[in-house]
Amino acid sequence: AQSVTQLDSHVSVSEGTPVLLRCNYSSSYSPSLFWYVQHPNKGLQLLLKYTSAATLVKGINGFEAEFKKSETSFHLTKPSAHMSDAAEYFCVIFLDTGRRALTFGSGTRLQVQP
Amino acid sequence: DVKVTQSSRYLVKRTGEKVFLECVQDMDHENMFWYRQDPGLGLRLIYFSYDVKMKEKGDIPEGYSVSREKKERFSLILESASTNQTSMYLCASSLAETQYFGPGTRLLVL
Repeated sequence: AQSVTQLDSHVSVSEGTPVLLRCNYSSSYSPSLFWYVQHPNKGLQLLLKYTSAATLVKGINGFEAEFKKSETSFHLTKPSAHMSDAAEYFCVIFLDTGRRALTFGSGTRLQVQP
Repeated sequence: DVKVTQSSRYLVKRTGEKVFLECVQDMDHENMFWYRQDPGLGLRLIYFSYDVKMKEKGDIPEGYSVSREKKERFSLILESASTNQTSMYLCASSLAETQYFGPGTRLLVL
């Protein structure tokens, strides 16, 4: 079975410091992986996606993620946190097994302290 | 830009009521999905549809049904609402692997 595990339910950083949100995946195939962000009372927005091209993927708002097959990881990073980054982040794997559906991790809530 | 709209942002219903949640997308996407979101559980797939009049069960279909009479519209139906169906409901559409989400409907069942 294919799945993703987000290793931290909450992460707190200070404004201007780096952000690291961790995600490990499990897949029998070469996966498609995504990070989505959800701001309070807003819908889900696509941050970035990996679909077997470059292993370092750049997304919106200065975020990037690196696909590491040897570690089965897809961690999300940003060099310098901004207050507006406070939100919930979901690591997601795409199951192209006929269902074409996404499987979500449980989410990581990012707090940014002034 | 893809636009996915949901008929209500907030709903309050009573146990046993029949509840309709509507979703409309404007990008001619073939695939549409209904998820529910609960704290600590992420999003879980209820039902999905690849084409008009087609529907497939997701991971948690019990207590729900769906209808897709037109390509742009996908409805989620709670036949007899129960308190454990209090949740945030999210609709999405896609052409390929990237899904685009609506703003969500927060449903409270009393």
